[in-house]
Amino acid sequence: GAVVSQHPSWVICKSGTSVKIECRSLDFQATTMFWYRQFPKQSLMLMATSNEGSKATYEQGVEKDKFLINHASLTLSTLTVTSAHPEDSSFYICSARGGGRTGELFFGEGSRLTVL
Amino acid sequence: AQTVTQSQPEMSVQEAETVTLSCTYDTSESDYYLFWYKQPPSRQMILVIRQEAYKQQNATENRFSVNFQKAAKSFSLKISDSQLGDAAMYFCAYGPFGNEKLTFGTGTRLTIIP
Repeated sequence: GAVVSQHPSWVICKSGTSVKIECRSLDFQATTMFWYRQFPKQSLMLMATSNEGSKATYEQGVEKDKFLINHASLTLSTLTVTSAHPEDSSFYICSARGGGRTGELFFGEGSRLTVL
Repeated sequence: AQTVTQSQPEMSVQEAETVTLSCTYDTSESDYYLFWYKQPPSRQMILVIRQEAYKQQNATENRFSVNFQKAAKSFSLKISDSQLGDAAMYFCAYGPFGNEKLTFGTGTRLTIIP
């Protein structure tokens, strides 16, 4: 199947700093990627849809100025958590359509953010 | 808005036995997709099985099969001959036709007893 990779897999930062998480489709082009947030022992919540070459579409309640998404190429989307605070600590997961069957998504390994 | 409900937070099954995970959903659409994803301790989500709503035949993938009841909006996952590697969180997900904005259930943690 198609491969989606995230980096870093784990990041610790101080409160007030910004953190960038990368999501790459390694063997296919992804015009659309999705960013999810997962709290411990909870489900995945869709944060935003990342569209190559255009602005991301954010879900209701997600601060677009807090979570900056850039999808500058067909294989890379980035999520920047700006001025991170401890409540932003979470597991962030990206996904992309693998060009196969409609509706099938491939997920990255996830990135665990811990804000001290 | 679509909702997905998994009423079993945790399930356990003896190795080699069969287990069924439940999922119900709510939608007003007639065309959509349903998925079961597996999230092992490594945390990477893996697609287990996929069902198109317009297909009456239940999807099967080796030891994994679903019981799709469209009228009841029910989509259960049956795992036969359970193996230790099946231990994971299992998420049921709904996907509208035409896009991939998935709505996930809260998950069921499956434990395999050796």
